[in-house]
Amino acid sequence: GQSLEQPSEVTAVEGAIVQINCTYQTSGFYGLSWYQQHDGGAPTFLSYNALDGLEETGRFSSFLSRSDSYGYLLLQELQMKDSASYFCAVRDWRSQGNLIFGKGTKLSVKP
Amino acid sequence: DGGITQSPKYLFRKEGQNVTLSCEQNLNHDAMYWYRQDPGQGLRLIYYSQIVNDFQKGDIAEGYSVSREKKESFPLTVTSAQKNPTAFYLCASSNLAGSTDTQYFGPGTRLTVL
Repeated sequence: GQSLEQPSEVTAVEGAIVQINCTYQTSGFYGLSWYQQHDGGAPTFLSYNALDGLEETGRFSSFLSRSDSYGYLLLQELQMKDSASYFCAVRDWRSQGNLIFGKGTKLSVKP
Repeated sequence: DGGITQSPKYLFRKEGQNVTLSCEQNLNHDAMYWYRQDPGQGLRLIYYSQIVNDFQKGDIAEGYSVSREKKESFPLTVTSAQKNPTAFYLCASSNLAGSTDTQYFGPGTRLTVL
């Protein structure tokens, strides 16, 4: 079956850089997505990687290595509003293209 | 403004009662999804629909039912057969023809069984 592993919690200070890792096991991998969810809110899409390499969108970047079944989300110049949970999610042929979510990483940004 | 709406935001139910959660989207998306989220957990797929009048079970469909009579609407019924229904329920939609993987989520319904 499919499985995703990501750290449960990460703490960092304002202005710092933090990397949230995600390793996965799937069959017929399509791509890796990242979503952000503030407490009590709806998840919002951050990025999607289908090919190896780094995708940059403002302060956020996402990386994928298909050969290592590994990806990460990089958050730069951390702000207090970045405190949230971050979920990686994969699509593969066994899930019929649907997203399989990890359990999430709770990021706490301290002053 | 385009988006997804869910109602109600909070819902309380007595044991043994069925309850229906509403989800509407005006994004003209073909696909719609229902997820369940428990504290400290990821999202688990309950049901999904890729086209009107068709839907498929997700990983945890037992105790739930859905319908997709209109493209814009995908209501979820939590039946009395669901043993532990207290959770946060999220509806999402996506454009299957898109090359990215974006799912757009509604604000969620928090269901509590008393």
